Amino acid sequence: SYELTQAPSVSVSPGQTARITCSGDALPKKYAYWYQQKSGQAPVLVIYEDSKRPSGIPERFSGSSSGTMATLTISGAQVEDEADYYCYSTDNSDRVFGGGTKLTVL
Amino acid sequence: EVQLVESGGGLVQPGGSLRLSCEASGFIFSTYWMTWVRQAPGKGLEWVANIKDDGSEKHYVDSVKGRFTISRDNVKNSLYLQMDSLRAEDTAVYYCTSGYCTTDRCYSSPDHWGQGALVTVSS
Repeated sequence: SYELTQAPSVSVSPGQTARITCSGDALPKKYAYWYQQKSGQAPVLVIYEDSKRPSGIPERFSGSSSGTMATLTISGAQVEDEADYYCYSTDNSDRVFGGGTKLTVL
Repeated sequence: EVQLVESGGGLVQPGGSLRLSCEASGFIFSTYWMTWVRQAPGKGLEWVANIKDDGSEKHYVDSVKGRFTISRDNVKNSLYLQMDSLRAEDTAVYYCTSGYCTTDRCYSSPDHWGQGALVTVSS
């Protein structure tokens, strides 16, 4: 079955750029989506179709995809961005989330 | 404003059944794919099942095939998940999610999420 691989954790200081990656063999031909989940809350879509930002999501959130890797970039990360981030994509009949990356901003 | 409200969670014994419901509002429910996603305590997100706008297509993760059934009622703007033969490993918060549409096509990828319903399978 298809798998998406994420690093378990990323840590940055406030104001720095955080990059969270997601690797998967089908990413060259399938969109990546990114979700933010703060403690005790439901996930929120922050990037769709590799690089599009839903309304209401701050401009510091951006996405890109190249080859088998998709990247979520938070430019000038803020303390309130501390959360778990999950990528999501598909391959044929498989629909999967990555294992999640815990972003610490301190 | 899109709202998805789950109900029907609770404690059930192994081998038992439970039916989750999700009431949708704020969008044209009959236009969108709908998906159930779950999250075991302290774990990551797991895609469970989805259903096409008109109910003509349904897909399941292997671990629930033959035990769970997804359905929808486009008159009642509601999504359901019938869960039978429940196991301890089905213990999780179950989220109801909606897909989205562009000018070209509609996608099942989760856009809006409900707050979740906790299902605990334990004796």
